[in-house]
Amino acid sequence: DVKVTQSSRYLVKRTGEKVFLECVQDMDHENMFWYRQDPGLGLRLIYFSYDVKMKEKGDIPEGYSVSREKKERFSLILESASTNQTSMYLCASSVPGQGTYNEQFFGPGTRLTVL
Amino acid sequence: GDSVTQMEGPVTLSEEAFLTINCTYTATGYPSLFWYVQYPGEGLQLLLKATKADDKGSNKGFEATYRKETTSFHLEKGSVQVSDSAVYFCALDTGNQFYFGTGTSLTVIP
Repeated sequence: DVKVTQSSRYLVKRTGEKVFLECVQDMDHENMFWYRQDPGLGLRLIYFSYDVKMKEKGDIPEGYSVSREKKERFSLILESASTNQTSMYLCASSVPGQGTYNEQFFGPGTRLTVL
Repeated sequence: GDSVTQMEGPVTLSEEAFLTINCTYTATGYPSLFWYVQYPGEGLQLLLKATKADDKGSNKGFEATYRKETTSFHLEKGSVQVSDSAVYFCALDTGNQFYFGTGTSLTVIP
């Protein structure tokens, strides 16, 4: 059974704190993604990675960084959390596309509140 | 550019009603199309998919047909249940990037 896990379901942090969100997948997928989900805006891609130590900016990378030291693990880092980063964060993984479908598998999400 | 547009919600239906959630897309080439579902407090799960024109994806009583002529992938279910209450996302894979719609919230009342 495929599985993507995220380190926390709920997290509360203070403005200015450094925040780490961890994601682990057990499917040996090359691609991993971080999204944030906000009401009325759907899912917005923050960063993605198509291989170990590789990363690409998504649509909204500002204020975030990522780390992928091992194939199964993709970390999202908020260097200095701000209140506008309060959101639901979703991690996903997939195999590389071959021009055909490329299903993404999602973790349960981390609801982050920044006070 | 490539994009997905889906019907604004929220949608409220009575149990056993017919459901349609509209989804249209803009993309060059031959993308793959998906519907994902997100139950309260959970991440997204794949509901169904279609990889080429005229394909019909189906799962749990839901269906969607990939219509290239109308660039659409509308989600339908003949008789909804309370347990179908969730947020539904249409999505597009161009082979280079994945695009999600903004989501449609469905509430089914007994």
